[in-house]
Amino acid sequence: DQQVKQNSPSLSVQEGRISILNCDYTNSMFDYFLWYKKYPAEGPTFLISISSIKDKNEDGRFTVFLNKSAKHLSLHIVPSQPGDSAVYFCAASFASGNTGKLIFGQGTTLQVKP
Amino acid sequence: DAGITQSPRHKVTETGTPVTLRCHQTENHRYMYWYRQDPGHGLRLIHYSYGVKDTDKGEVSDGYSVSRSKTEDFLLTLESATSSQTSVYFCAISTGQRQPQHFGDGTRLSIL
Repeated sequence: DQQVKQNSPSLSVQEGRISILNCDYTNSMFDYFLWYKKYPAEGPTFLISISSIKDKNEDGRFTVFLNKSAKHLSLHIVPSQPGDSAVYFCAASFASGNTGKLIFGQGTTLQVKP
Repeated sequence: DAGITQSPRHKVTETGTPVTLRCHQTENHRYMYWYRQDPGHGLRLIHYSYGVKDTDKGEVSDGYSVSRSKTEDFLLTLESATSSQTSVYFCAISTGQRQPQHFGDGTRLSIL
């Protein structure tokens, strides 16, 4: 049972345009969400996070939006750059025993074309 | 970058052999995690540790065991490797709840 889903395996955008990556979740207990970027042969790198008490968080070109009623979050990258080409994972966790365990989506491969 | 080192980075072994992967951190973080990454599944948690000698199972723990005798080291052992355990294994560390995890660069394990 996939609690965190990224339904688009891939996305292609033009350099300078906006990239929007989507993620849906099923467990209403999730209260902390993260996005990671992963290049080939490297480990995932933390990008940005959001707590369930917020609906938006920005960090430079990256903005994460959370819609709790729809159980949906999205990552916006503006403007997109060729170096953003990577696999993007969303992840979620909830306060249970203070373990910090994360549940990951399957990933979306973003290609930014020059 | 967080000080996380995974070893070995690549390993090829045969079915039925024992395999141990090591994760070493220099950040003194309390929490350590082992994940595997497979196509179509993202990253799935195998085991995690919330302190020295304190470990617990994740969602795909069958066939794996872990040990943590020191804060800085977290070992993942496949007692008798099977072909279904061919994967890329990632170690991660964090300071705890509602904190991002930081990952090592992974170990690519092939079991023939």
